[in-house]
Amino acid sequence: GENVEQHPSTLSVQEGDSAVIKCTYSDSASNYFPWYKQELGKRPQLIIDIRSNVGEKKDQRIAVTLNKTAKHFSLHITETQPEDSAVYFCAASPNAGGTSYGKLTFGQGTILTVHP
Amino acid sequence: DGGITQSPKYLFRKEGQNVTLSCEQNLNHDAMYWYRQDPGQGLRLIYYSQIVNDFQKGDIAEGYSVSREKKESFPLTVTSAQKNPTAFYLCASSPLRNPGANVLTFGAGSRLTVL
Repeated sequence: GENVEQHPSTLSVQEGDSAVIKCTYSDSASNYFPWYKQELGKRPQLIIDIRSNVGEKKDQRIAVTLNKTAKHFSLHITETQPEDSAVYFCAASPNAGGTSYGKLTFGQGTILTVHP
Repeated sequence: DGGITQSPKYLFRKEGQNVTLSCEQNLNHDAMYWYRQDPGQGLRLIYYSQIVNDFQKGDIAEGYSVSREKKESFPLTVTSAQKNPTAFYLCASSPLRNPGANVLTFGAGSRLTVL
């Protein structure tokens, strides 16, 4: 089955700095890679995702890059703000048919703290 | 509450007891999932279901059971066979077709504590 490794486990930055979180995956059949943000005491919510037919996707201060050859993808947050402080999870999933369709395997999470 | 409702929010159980966590969605999503969240271990998949009356084991299914008798409902039973059941449990649902295929909508979670 799929295995997703996420690093670092904790990340501390100053407001305005950039933050980068990296994930690797093992299953070459995976082709959907979302990122979820979980604020303290709240449910995880999707912030950005990428499918394997593109190498990069950007949404305002957030971007995700994907390298399918190396089986890794990264989340980039620019101009960080205190409200970016949360736990971030990467995930991977196959996007084909069969019983594994829709099954997301998550990384271990990164606790991001943005200091004012 | 975002279209997916979990209950109860907090649950205490004595050792040896089975407990059932409820999950209901009104999003008309085909797929539903149960994840367990422990500190430092991310979200681990317990069971998932793509269609009524069918479900698949996830990575940590031992000691758990589910049913999917209705599209809207996917209850999780934590049995006495689960060795370490104290955890935060998250239910989620997603469409299986675009738009939004595989995008999970999570419930608010249920925190189970075994006394």
